[in-house]
Amino acid sequence: DAKTTQPPSMDCAEGRAANLPCNHSTISGNEYVYWYRQIHSQGPQYIIHGLKNNETNEMASLIITEDRKSSTLILPHATLRDTAVYYCIVRVVTDSNYQLIWGAGTKLIIKP
Amino acid sequence: EPEVTQTPSHQVTQMGQEVILRCVPISNHLYFYWYRQILGQKVEFLVSFYNNEISEKSEIFDDQFSVERPDGSNFTLKIRSTKLEDSAMYFCASITNTEAFFGQGTRLTVV
Repeated sequence: DAKTTQPPSMDCAEGRAANLPCNHSTISGNEYVYWYRQIHSQGPQYIIHGLKNNETNEMASLIITEDRKSSTLILPHATLRDTAVYYCIVRVVTDSNYQLIWGAGTKLIIKP
Repeated sequence: EPEVTQTPSHQVTQMGQEVILRCVPISNHLYFYWYRQILGQKVEFLVSFYNNEISEKSEIFDDQFSVERPDGSNFTLKIRSTKLEDSAMYFCASITNTEAFFGQGTRLTVV
């Protein structure tokens, strides 16, 4: 079962910041939050991940609430090429494995 | 940047035939996964592979499926006696402690 919930779709104007929310209220202390995106059924593309602290890289920023029950992915200056399905994922550690628990994703449409 | 390579990019097969999907993961990674995505649906876990054996598999991964790493580099998913509902994108992922790299997928169409 998915450990994340996301809005099914969002719009954002080109050049503006896109803020994509994710709820993961059942996340455990050692479980990371990952964000991937998928463009036109291509292979999922890694964006960013975090555990407790906010993270930033060349693609995006990840803001995680203090209680870790939710997070927000921020694309600071969205372009048309950022139109994609964005997946918020919890990485679970089992006895033998890492497991990525996928949700349904948010379809982000960047409008000119 | 390291990448995961999958072949073929597209495979069409007749129902009942066997198919082998191939993946070349990143060489120093230890965990390898197969996922599938039926058109318009979310990504579903099939199986994970560690230290040359299956470490976990989903309910989807029944006796019809098998995986192996025959030569230490290629990582294959075999689907025996394909069914129409096996039509999907199949993704291979190569995973470290902190990152998962996905291939571009194989689109399997069963007719």
